[in-house]
Amino acid sequence: DAKTTQPTSMDCAEGRAANLPCNHSTISGNEYVYWYRQIHSQGPQYIIHGLKNNETNEMASLIITEDRKSSTLILPHATLRDTAVYYCIVGYEKLTFGTGTRLTIIP
Amino acid sequence: GAVVSQHPSWVICKSGTSVKIECRSLDFQATTMFWYRQFPKQSLMLMATSNEGSKATYEQGVEKDKFLINHASLTLSTLTVTSAHPEDSSFYICSAAQGANWMNTEAFFGQGTRLTVV
Repeated sequence: DAKTTQPTSMDCAEGRAANLPCNHSTISGNEYVYWYRQIHSQGPQYIIHGLKNNETNEMASLIITEDRKSSTLILPHATLRDTAVYYCIVGYEKLTFGTGTRLTIIP
Repeated sequence: GAVVSQHPSWVICKSGTSVKIECRSLDFQATTMFWYRQFPKQSLMLMATSNEGSKATYEQGVEKDKFLINHASLTLSTLTVTSAHPEDSSFYICSAAQGANWMNTEAFFGQGTRLTVV
């Protein structure tokens, strides 16, 4: 039983920032927010995770609202290779995938 | 980054036979491993969680006698689909995590195994 709600699909122009929203209103205090992505017929790839604070790494930024009920994944300069299904996951001892957002980067 | 390898990448088996899928962590000790299955155009469904040396914990609705999971070492977990039938055809993916506090890091996923039962 996934605890997240994401848009089914999104488009983003190449070179622009891609902002992927996620709602997780039932998140518990010890649960992390994780983002993974899956390119067709491959295993998921880790992007970023956070607990309370905003996080940034070489791939993306994660913005978590103060009440932790929603978050946004930001890919700062989207490329065609970023086309994938992006999964926002809330969990602690296991990772339960929801339906994800199919992000298409448009040339 | 850490590497998780699954073998085989794809397998075709006859209905009624059993097939074993291996999941290895190549450069770290996987204290916890997860097994997922994914049907076409659907999301990953968690089947079970296993900790090294312990029995796997299966998700609701997953038959433990049909999907046998063994996590006998810190680098290897196996999933055996027993008496496979065409409806078991799916993409099976393993994931591995290191340490008791893996939740504050990442879980590493294998490349998946495509099982076709004919």
